[in-house]
Amino acid sequence: QSVLTQPPSASGTPGQRVTISCSGSSSNIGRNTVNWYQQLPGTAPKLLIYSNNQRPSGVPDRFSGSKSATSASLAISGLQSEDEADYYCATWDDSLNGFVFGTGTKVTVL
Amino acid sequence: QITLKESGPTLVKPTQTLTLTCTFSGFSLSTSGVGVGWIRQPPGKALEWLALIYWDDDKRYSPSLKSRLTITKDTSKNQVVLTMTNMDPVDTATFYCAHVPTGGNWFDPWGQGTLVTVSS
Repeated sequence: QSVLTQPPSASGTPGQRVTISCSGSSSNIGRNTVNWYQQLPGTAPKLLIYSNNQRPSGVPDRFSGSKSATSASLAISGLQSEDEADYYCATWDDSLNGFVFGTGTKVTVL
Repeated sequence: QITLKESGPTLVKPTQTLTLTCTFSGFSLSTSGVGVGWIRQPPGKALEWLALIYWDDDKRYSPSLKSRLTITKDTSKNQVVLTMTNMDPVDTATFYCAHVPTGGNWFDPWGQGTLVTVSS
């Protein structure tokens, strides 16, 4: 049912860089800014990146976001064990006239 | 500091109507541009947006669930209520409410969530 497609999983060793993709269409990512959420195990989602590449106060600068055409990406540099979580992209869809979330990516620190 | 908390039944029977309340503090739903949304997450699955209400009573619903959802607000009580009719076991999920800032298309912060199980 998710309109935005993400890889189911991603992994890396501590210190590595991990990138998560989010693929959408012209009616969502193509026209609106993208946001990213981090969901640690057993907790509520937390805003990680807003407006494509902005970090809320308190989010480490090793998290970064970007957007190009109908796709977006989240990069985690200097991967740490506490980064093990599910990550979701999200945006507004003009055709559906509503919010849409990605399929989610589980990040594992090896 | 903005906080939100969901409340409602933890168990509902199939065909019943679910009513959830989001009680918030730290902002007012009479402030221009502000909104409150509802999102659900079935166990082990992805997030799904359900509904959103803005300060001016503008309401938006997920197209796939629109016929079953109603969102309302009580500004004086700092509450937003979501009702979902004709509940089915596949609707078992954790339901979250979240704040939408003025001019933003993101949810921040989120409530802790409440797990609703649909079973006879």
